[in-house]
Amino acid sequence: KQEVTQIPAALSVPEGENLVLNCSFTDSAIYNLQWFRQDPGKGLTSLLLIQSSQREQTSGRLNASLDKSSGRSTLYIAASQPGDSATYLCAVIAGGSEKLVFGKGTKLTVNP
Amino acid sequence: NAGVMQNPRHLVRRRGQEARLRCSPMKGHSHVYWYRQLPEEGLKFMVYLQKENIIDESGMPKERFSAEFPKEGPSILRIQQVVRGDSAAYFCASSPSAGGRYEQYFGPGTRLTVT
Repeated sequence: KQEVTQIPAALSVPEGENLVLNCSFTDSAIYNLQWFRQDPGKGLTSLLLIQSSQREQTSGRLNASLDKSSGRSTLYIAASQPGDSATYLCAVIAGGSEKLVFGKGTKLTVNP
Repeated sequence: NAGVMQNPRHLVRRRGQEARLRCSPMKGHSHVYWYRQLPEEGLKFMVYLQKENIIDESGMPKERFSAEFPKEGPSILRIQQVVRGDSAAYFCASSPSAGGRYEQYFGPGTRLTVT
């Protein structure tokens, strides 16, 4: 059974700092991994999608890496801003499945 | 191109009533997924549907819950005889095709409160 863990559960940083969010999964047989952002009381916004054959994806100040063999992914946020404050969710689709398995998220607070 | 639409955004039901949640996928998407987010818990998969077919309902509670995606119209998640434990945010996602390699796009969610 696929399980996804995100560490830390919460993170508070000053504005301008570079930071890394971590995600680990127990079964390396995945199709892809997605990072999402969720604002309080809102839906999910997809940030980055990494296919199983890829090592990383970049979008603006965000960079996500994937190491399938070790069951890990990281989301790097450069030059953080208060507007980045949100909960960041990591999710994987296991091979042979269509469903996303989510971690519980990392709640990020960027202080001005 | 409008995103995934869900309605209502907020729904209040008394215990024992029925709740109907609607999801319109993105244009051109024929695959719909429902997820539930209970308070203080992560999102959990409930059901995966294609037009007129339920493909995977492994995450659906065995009783009171049902889902459909008719040939015409939105996908509907139906909860009969709601109980307080059904209070949660219900999210719908859609994708253009199957195979697990396509990005799932999420709607804003329906927040169900059972009183």
